[in-house]
Amino acid sequence: IAGITQAPTSQILAAGRRMTLRCTQDMRHNAMYWYRQDLGLGLRLIHYSNTAGTTGKGEVPDGYSVSRANTDDFPLTLASAVPSQTSVYFCASSEFGNSGGTDTQYFGPGTRLTVL
Amino acid sequence: GQNIDQPTEMTATEGAIVQINCTYQTSGFNGLFWYQQHAGEAPTFLSYNVLDGLEEKGRFSSFLSRSKGYSYLLLKELQMKDSASYLCAGLDSNYQLIWGAGTKLIIKP
Repeated sequence: IAGITQAPTSQILAAGRRMTLRCTQDMRHNAMYWYRQDLGLGLRLIHYSNTAGTTGKGEVPDGYSVSRANTDDFPLTLASAVPSQTSVYFCASSEFGNSGGTDTQYFGPGTRLTVL
Repeated sequence: GQNIDQPTEMTATEGAIVQINCTYQTSGFNGLFWYQQHAGEAPTFLSYNVLDGLEEKGRFSSFLSRSKGYSYLLLKELQMKDSASYLCAGLDSNYQLIWGAGTKLIIKP
C-alpha cells in the first residue's frame, strides 16, 4: 500500500543523546515535511524539502537538521536532545511543494518522542 | 503575522449537524484545508477550498469566504466515529501551510 512510513513508533531518549527519526514515502512526491505537534498548539513546521537535494527551515528549526539525498527518504536528526523536544513528530509529503497546486499533504503515522 | 483561529472544543449529539468555524490571516492566500485527526493518529485530508462558496462531499461540506478570511466545516448526520480533532490550515503565498490548533469534536449519543 502506497504511503508514508515513520520509524520508530515511539522512543524514550536521555537528554544530550543524538537521535534520527526516519521517514520514507513511496508516492514519488516532490515535497516532504517534518512537523511537531504539541498539546494545545497547531502543527509546527520544523524543516521541509521541496525536491530531492534541497531543504529549508520552517517555523521551529533550532536543534533539528534534515537531509534529502533522494526522493523517498527524509530523516530528521536531533543532534543533542533536550526535554523541550518531547513531542509527537509527523512526517508528511505532497506532490508539488512550492511549485503550486492544491498541495494536499499526506501524513505518516507519527513518532512519539520523550526526552528525559 | 499569520494566524489561524478555531474553537478549542465542541460537543454535539449523534445524528445532529455541527459547524466548526475557522478564521485566518495569512501572507497571501492559496487556499484553505480541513483535516481530520483521530486521537493518536495522523491527520487525514478532508477538503480544500480556494474559491468562495460551499464544497459538498457527502456528509461533510466546507465553506470559504476570502473577503472575510473565514471558513467553516459542516458535518451532517453525525456519527460516533466523527469524534476527532478537526484542523484548519491556510496555504500562504509561499505554499506553506499555517495550521490552527484544532477543534476537538465530542459526539454524545
